[in-house]
Amino acid sequence: DAGVTQSPTHLIKTRGQQVTLRCSPKSGHDTVSWYQQALGQGPQFIFQYYEEEERQRGNFPDRFSGHQFPNYSSELNVNALLLGDSALYLCASSSPWTGRNTEAFFGQGTRLTVV
Amino acid sequence: AQTVTQSQPEMSVQEAETVTLSCTYDTSESDYYLFWYKQPPSRQMILVIRQEAYKQQNATENRFSVNFQKAAKSFSLKISDSQLGDAAMYFCAYRTPYTSGTYKYIFGTGTRLKVLA
Repeated sequence: DAGVTQSPTHLIKTRGQQVTLRCSPKSGHDTVSWYQQALGQGPQFIFQYYEEEERQRGNFPDRFSGHQFPNYSSELNVNALLLGDSALYLCASSSPWTGRNTEAFFGQGTRLTVV
Repeated sequence: AQTVTQSQPEMSVQEAETVTLSCTYDTSESDYYLFWYKQPPSRQMILVIRQEAYKQQNATENRFSVNFQKAAKSFSLKISDSQLGDAAMYFCAYRTPYTSGTYKYIFGTGTRLKVLA
């Protein structure tokens, strides 16, 4: 059973550019959340997608946007990259069908470096 | 707003000994989940243990156990018989109540655990 897979694993971009990160959820999961983990910090919630809609959003600017596809995979897009966007981006998937016992499974992340 | 605080940036433990990692949180909710995640250098977050706030009994998973004090909003992790493979960053996480079909995790800043041979 493949877990949560993210691509690419590493990425280097220049300030002002745009980037797209991808996530495939664990089999059976239909909810995808994205987190930003700056160096030496804990992950910060960016947003969550379910049924192809953004369900909740953290304190991130509009430069951060996302999308969920009918097969439940998801993309995170960041426009006008800043040096401060350099971080590990984690994708987490879960299923609401298990109700209270829903827990998230995390991917290995995409390390984004903005130069 | 909910917050999670880990006041120990780094801890060391001798192999086979016991270590306790501290975590406090703040919330006005009564129904929530608490987690400890392990993040090794491979970067993948691995679930260590989970505690439901409505359960008074402390969760246990093999060598890992928690001391959950709901009134004090404290959630510490005890690792017994520490092994070299336990070395990693440990994050305490609070999961918001599952309402309107959504929730989120709030993480602490982490504790780096070193295991000495």
